[in-house]
Amino acid sequence: AQKVTQAQTEISVVEKEDVTLDCVYETRDTTYYLFWYKQPPSGELVFLIRRNSFDEQNEISGRYSWNFQKSTSSFNFTITASQVVDSAVYFCALSEAYRGSTLGRLYFGRGTQLTVWP
Amino acid sequence: GAVVSQHPSRVICKSGTSVKIECRSLDFQATTMFWYRQFPKQSLMLMATSNEGSKATYEQGVEKDKFLINHASLTLSTLTVTSAHPEDSSFYICSARNLEAFFGQGTRLTVV
Repeated sequence: AQKVTQAQTEISVVEKEDVTLDCVYETRDTTYYLFWYKQPPSGELVFLIRRNSFDEQNEISGRYSWNFQKSTSSFNFTITASQVVDSAVYFCALSEAYRGSTLGRLYFGRGTQLTVWP
Repeated sequence: GAVVSQHPSRVICKSGTSVKIECRSLDFQATTMFWYRQFPKQSLMLMATSNEGSKATYEQGVEKDKFLINHASLTLSTLTVTSAHPEDSSFYICSARNLEAFFGQGTRLTVV
């Protein structure tokens, strides 16, 4: 069965601090996809990144970076020099793969509420 | 990126009435759409998988007679909450699959 665990329910930091959001997943599939989404107070889900199970390269996009470690089944997300606008709920999610693409059904973690104080 | 439009974004209805929520893929054809429900400060839970031209597949515990899903075309799926009760108040969000999963903006339903 698929399962995503985000152990951190809430994190508070002060602006300009770095913060890492943890994500641990469980799956028996050898091919799968991992995602991070941001959900601001308005409610919509903002796609941040997709990573497939064969690509363990870390990725950096501006102040965001992701660390994928298959050995520990983790896909952690780091925000460098956090800003107030980063305040949101962040969800990690896992998707089964089907014929090389995402199946689309996502298994979500419980989310981490990040609050960045000025 | 692809766009999924969900309407309405907010709706308030009286107990006992029905509410229809639309989910449209604007620039791609989605053979499969997903409906999720999110309770306050909680994760998204899959309610059902909607396939174009066939009956939806509901997750365990989701009442199919209460949450009617219709996926009549490759670009439109609808969720109708029938005989709504206050406990149906929630945030409903749809997702359409192409090669990626794209999400609508969500619908906040309040039943009074």
